[in-house]
Amino acid sequence: DAGVIQSPRHEVTEMGQEVTLRCKPISGHNSLFWYRQTMMRGLELLIYFNNNVPIDDSGMPEDRFSAKMPNASFSTLKIQPSEPRDSAVYFCASSLEAVDTQYFGPGTRLTVL
Amino acid sequence: EDQVTQSPEALRLQEGESSSLNCSYTVSGLRGLFWYRQDPGKGPEFLFTLYSAGEEKEKERLKATLTKKESFLHITAPKPEDSATYLCAVQGMDSNYQLIWGAGTKLIIKP
Repeated sequence: DAGVIQSPRHEVTEMGQEVTLRCKPISGHNSLFWYRQTMMRGLELLIYFNNNVPIDDSGMPEDRFSAKMPNASFSTLKIQPSEPRDSAVYFCASSLEAVDTQYFGPGTRLTVL
Repeated sequence: EDQVTQSPEALRLQEGESSSLNCSYTVSGLRGLFWYRQDPGKGPEFLFTLYSAGEEKEKERLKATLTKKESFLHITAPKPEDSATYLCAVQGMDSNYQLIWGAGTKLIIKP
């Protein structure tokens, strides 16, 4: 079975540009999570969707960040405009139900110059 | 405040030298404790879930145990391919989705 799929795997962009990260969760999972991982802060939850509805976006750092889940098989995380401090690895994870084990994608390494 | 502390930060072992990683937690009612393995450049890979004190789970050379305050990940006769960062996370009863993550233990097994 395919796991969580993320694209692109690597993204290098210049400050001020728009960045869109994509995620396809495991089929049948109703919960989707976006995380950011840095050396300084570890794994941080950015936003949590349940049945395609955003439930908790308190981890989204600023209005520059937005996330959507138009259907059960696709989600995007957008940063506009991007800044160098947004450089990190962004992970998408999904779980069967909210309380169940979260399965992670391979991540997108974002570098903002 | 819910908190997870992992120790040591890093651990270097010779191949075949058994040891344990620690995950101490404070949470108002434990729903579950999760262990993940993360290789460089990859996403966390699920290993185990433990739900109650006294529970143990095993997978190959790894064995996870749980008490009311901490969990141990025991590694028996490790091989170089066991080198990775091991992450611990807890989910409290007052949250049905939020995981509180530890900073991880970087394990290096030298041949």
